[in-house]
Amino acid sequence: DGGITQSPKYLFRKEGQNVTLSCEQNLNHDAMYWYRQDPGQGLRLIYYSQIVNDFQKGDIAEGYSVSREKKESFPLTVTSAQKNPTAFYLCASTIERGTTDTQYFGPGTRLTVL
Amino acid sequence: SQQGEEDPQALSIQEGENATMNCSYKTSINNLQWYRQNSGRGLVHLILIRSNEREKHSGRLRVTLDTSKKSSSLLITASRAADTASYFCATALRGDSWGKLQFGAGTQVVVTP
Repeated sequence: DGGITQSPKYLFRKEGQNVTLSCEQNLNHDAMYWYRQDPGQGLRLIYYSQIVNDFQKGDIAEGYSVSREKKESFPLTVTSAQKNPTAFYLCASTIERGTTDTQYFGPGTRLTVL
Repeated sequence: SQQGEEDPQALSIQEGENATMNCSYKTSINNLQWYRQNSGRGLVHLILIRSNEREKHSGRLRVTLDTSKKSSSLLITASRAADTASYFCATALRGDSWGKLQFGAGTQVVVTP
């Protein structure tokens, strides 16, 4: 099966801890994206990457970091600097970089800070 | 503020009825897309309409785009209980070469049997 996988599905973190959310795709897509969704709201872009070893800040990058060492993987680290990290995190990808076509989404990770 | 704004925020209908939701945006776009999200899940792409298109159909879905009014509508005909979900419009801004989309806050649709 081709698709995007995110793990874990649920994640609990204590205040002051860094956590890393996994995003893997076997679609051979060039571009990958991380979004944050808060209850009753739309998606806000955290980071995006068009190519391996390159990524750009989105609208709400503060307190987050990413890496893109492999085409199929785009992990997101939520650092202790993120003031309000409790949210639903979604990873997405598109076939070709530089295009604004369909984005394919993973199932999401729900992060809760205790 | 968000580029896309959906209206209404919530919609409750009975099976068999049609559901219509609207999306307004502020700046010129390359295309506009509609996505569906079931509770606690990822988004699923429904349909993409380009700025030079006015109407598009896919199964029971009909999307219109009016670039002069900077608005789009999504019509779901003969709704089913399985259509219960949140629906989001997303705009791809003209001139954006990074493939970014801007999402609205969504319309929550409940279809009762």
